[in-house]
Amino acid sequence: KNQVEQSPQSLIILEGKNCTLQCNYTVSPFSNLRWYKQDTGRGPVSLTIMTFSENTKSNGRYTATLDADTKQSSLHITASQLSDSASYICVVSTRYSTLTFGKGTMLLVSP
Amino acid sequence: DAGVIQSPRHEVTEMGQEVTLRCKPISGHDYLFWYRQTMMRGLELLIYFNNNVPIDDSGMPEDRFSAKMPNASFSTLKIQPSEPRDSAVYFCASAPRGSHEQYFGPGTRLTVT
Repeated sequence: KNQVEQSPQSLIILEGKNCTLQCNYTVSPFSNLRWYKQDTGRGPVSLTIMTFSENTKSNGRYTATLDADTKQSSLHITASQLSDSASYICVVSTRYSTLTFGKGTMLLVSP
Repeated sequence: DAGVIQSPRHEVTEMGQEVTLRCKPISGHDYLFWYRQTMMRGLELLIYFNNNVPIDDSGMPEDRFSAKMPNASFSTLKIQPSEPRDSAVYFCASAPRGSHEQYFGPGTRLTVT
């Protein structure tokens, strides 16, 4: 069964600090992995999309990594800001376009 | 572009009533997706269309749910009859051809009492 597990479930960090969110998946056949940011009361917004051949991709202060061998991905946030407070969702797609969603990590950046 | 537009933003209805959610995708996008999000289950894909044709509706929970896309600029998700367990936020998203990038609407928060 295709599954995506995210950790931690929630996280509180101080403004300016870095943090790393984890995503482990058992999805086959793998096509791509996406990280979304969802602010409270809004729809998800795409941060990064990585295919099998990509092992790192950056979007400003957000850097995603992908290890297709161990089926793990991480999202690293550098120099966190209050506006980074949101839910971060990992989504894995198969080659048949089936999407499997993680439950998300709720991040709170505290002043 | 105004992005994906959904209406209504909030809907409160009584059990047994029919509910219709509406979506206008981004102009020129070939794909349209309907999602449901709850605290317990997270985001779930219900159905998606390619060029107005339903491609995969395996996520539609039961026959009470139906979705249509009569043209490239409009889609509806209908629940009839509604039940309290249908309470959730329903998102519509669209994507251009050849891209994995999906653009989400603001969602419709549905409460069934």
